[in-house]
Amino acid sequence: GENVEQHPSTLSVQEGDSAVIKCTYSDSASNYFPWYKQELGKRPQLIIDIRSNVGEKKDQRIAVTLNKTAKHFSLHITETQPEDSAVYFCAATSGGSYIPTFGRGTSLIVHP
Amino acid sequence: KAGVTQTPRYLIKTRGQQVTLSCSPISGHRSVSWYQQTPGQGLQFLFEYFSETQRNKGNFPGRFSGRQFSNSRSEMNVSTLELGDSALYLCASTLSGNGETQYFGPGTRLLVL
Repeated sequence: GENVEQHPSTLSVQEGDSAVIKCTYSDSASNYFPWYKQELGKRPQLIIDIRSNVGEKKDQRIAVTLNKTAKHFSLHITETQPEDSAVYFCAATSGGSYIPTFGRGTSLIVHP
Repeated sequence: KAGVTQTPRYLIKTRGQQVTLSCSPISGHRSVSWYQQTPGQGLQFLFEYFSETQRNKGNFPGRFSGRQFSNSRSEMNVSTLELGDSALYLCASTLSGNGETQYFGPGTRLLVL
């Protein structure tokens, strides 16, 4: 089955800095890669996703890049703000599976 | 559309008891997945139901079971509770589950004493 590794587990940045979270996956058949943000005490919510036919996708301060050859994808947050503080989960879904495999999460702390 | 809802939101049980949690998906969604979330372990997949049938199952003991009704609402049951079952239980729904965005409910926080 699919295996997703996520790094770092904790990331501390100053407000205004950029943050990068990286994930690797094992199944070359995976074709859908969503990123979820979970604020303290709240449900995970999709913030951005990318499919295997696209190398990069941007949405305002958030971007995701995908390298299918190396089997890794990354989340980039620019101009971080305190409200970006949360746990971020990456996931990969194989074409033959209905279920995404999640990484263990990255706790992002943005200091004012 | 209303989002995914879960009941109850909080639950306290003692070891050996059983518990039933409920999840109502977004209207029109037919796939419901369940996850266990504990600190440091991320989201551990329990099982997924589609059209009243369990379509996928994670690596959890048989004490964890579930079902789905004709209106797509789903329940999960944990029998003979153990201390280690204390966790946040999340359900998520999608239209059909095939490489689609999952929409999560608020979760049920279970504490086993």
